[in-house]
Amino acid sequence: NAGVTQTPKFQVLKTGQSMTLQCAQDMNHNSMYWYRQDPGMGLRLIYYSASEGTTDKGEVPNGYNVSRLNKREFSLRLESAAPSQTSVYFCASSEFPTAQAYNEQFFGPGTRLTVL
Amino acid sequence: DQQVKQNSPSLSVQEGRISILNCDYTNSMFDYFLWYKKYPAEGPTFLISISSIKDKNEDGRFTVFLNKSAKHLSLHIVPSQPGDSAVYFCAAKGGTSYGKLTFGQGTILTVHP
Repeated sequence: NAGVTQTPKFQVLKTGQSMTLQCAQDMNHNSMYWYRQDPGMGLRLIYYSASEGTTDKGEVPNGYNVSRLNKREFSLRLESAAPSQTSVYFCASSEFPTAQAYNEQFFGPGTRLTVL
Repeated sequence: DQQVKQNSPSLSVQEGRISILNCDYTNSMFDYFLWYKKYPAEGPTFLISISSIKDKNEDGRFTVFLNKSAKHLSLHIVPSQPGDSAVYFCAAKGGTSYGKLTFGQGTILTVHP
């Protein structure tokens, strides 16, 4: 099993350009997440999808859109990139969490994005 | 508003000694806490977790302690090994937030041979 895969690994954009970060998981997980990691900030949730067909905003959703294409794939789109979106982006997946139990999240290797 | 804080950006220990990583939180609704480990150029990997109804959870060399009254948790690694050198993130889940995690800033652990 590949687990969680992300493409591309690296990307450089100019301000105003758009791009889509791709994420796929082969663990048959229901829930998927997009995080960004910035120095001194830890990981912050951008969007998540509790199950196929649903998406919800996380802590820092502004400037991003997401699509849960199917159970396996969850993409993150930057419509008009800004230098403040320079970051490392991680996708994660988990079994559907409930209020009574928690299922660990499995992370992909990340995409390092630079916006000039 | 940083609800989960790791106030030590880095920690350096000798191989074989104990490593203690600390984490403080402010939200009393958090009901589950996790530690993730991250190597450079890789995604975080789950290490150990603890429910708010417990005060200790152990898994091999790793033990997590939770002090709810102080809103504090710690990760103990005994004995520390050079392969433990990584960034460690603590994370917390609120009772009604399903899978959403709030992460601390991370602590860089360096274990010297």
